[in-house]
Amino acid sequence: AQSVSQHNHHVILSEAASLELGCNYSYGGTVNLFWYVQYPGQHLQLLLKYFSGDPLVKGIKGFEAEFIKSKFSFNLRKPSVQWSDTAEYFCAVNTNAGKSTFGDGTTLTVKP
Amino acid sequence: DAGVTQSPTHLIKTRGQQVTLRCSPKSGHDTVSWYQQALGQGPQFIFQYYEEEERQRGNFPDRFSGHQFPNYSSELNVNALLLGDSALYLCASSPGGTVKKETQYFGPGTRLLVL
Repeated sequence: AQSVSQHNHHVILSEAASLELGCNYSYGGTVNLFWYVQYPGQHLQLLLKYFSGDPLVKGIKGFEAEFIKSKFSFNLRKPSVQWSDTAEYFCAVNTNAGKSTFGDGTTLTVKP
Repeated sequence: DAGVTQSPTHLIKTRGQQVTLRCSPKSGHDTVSWYQQALGQGPQFIFQYYEEEERQRGNFPDRFSGHQFPNYSSELNVNALLLGDSALYLCASSPGGTVKKETQYFGPGTRLLVL
């Protein structure tokens, strides 16, 4: 069975600091990778996704993620965070069989 | 364009009772997935419906069942409620019959409390 591990449960940064959130998955087959974000009081929404091709993908609001197949990782990055990036971030893996597995999320708090 | 809607927003039940949660997908979407999100955890996949049939299922007991209607809306039913069923239940919709590569659009969830 596939699993997703997000190592950082809660990250606190000051504005303008750089961000990297870790995501590792366990699954031997082809996967499609997603990062979702949930801002306070809002629904889960897509930040970015990777299916194939360039392993560095760019999403909304300056976020990017890099797929490293050999490490089974899909880490999320942002060079300079803003107060408005305060949210909960979820990494998710979809298999080609159509099953979707989420990590337990990382809460990001950005101090102004 | 309305997004994914869910009802009710909150629900309180007692152990042993049965509950039905409802979801209307985003316009143009034909696939509905249900998730359970316990406090402090990520969404756990319950099952997925397409063409009125259950296509995929996660590791949930048979007490959890669902239905999809011809207009693509869906219901989640939970029988013989346990305290551990207390959680936020999320509905997500997507197009194309599978969530392989599709972005899922999530609703606001129904918060269920079992006493």
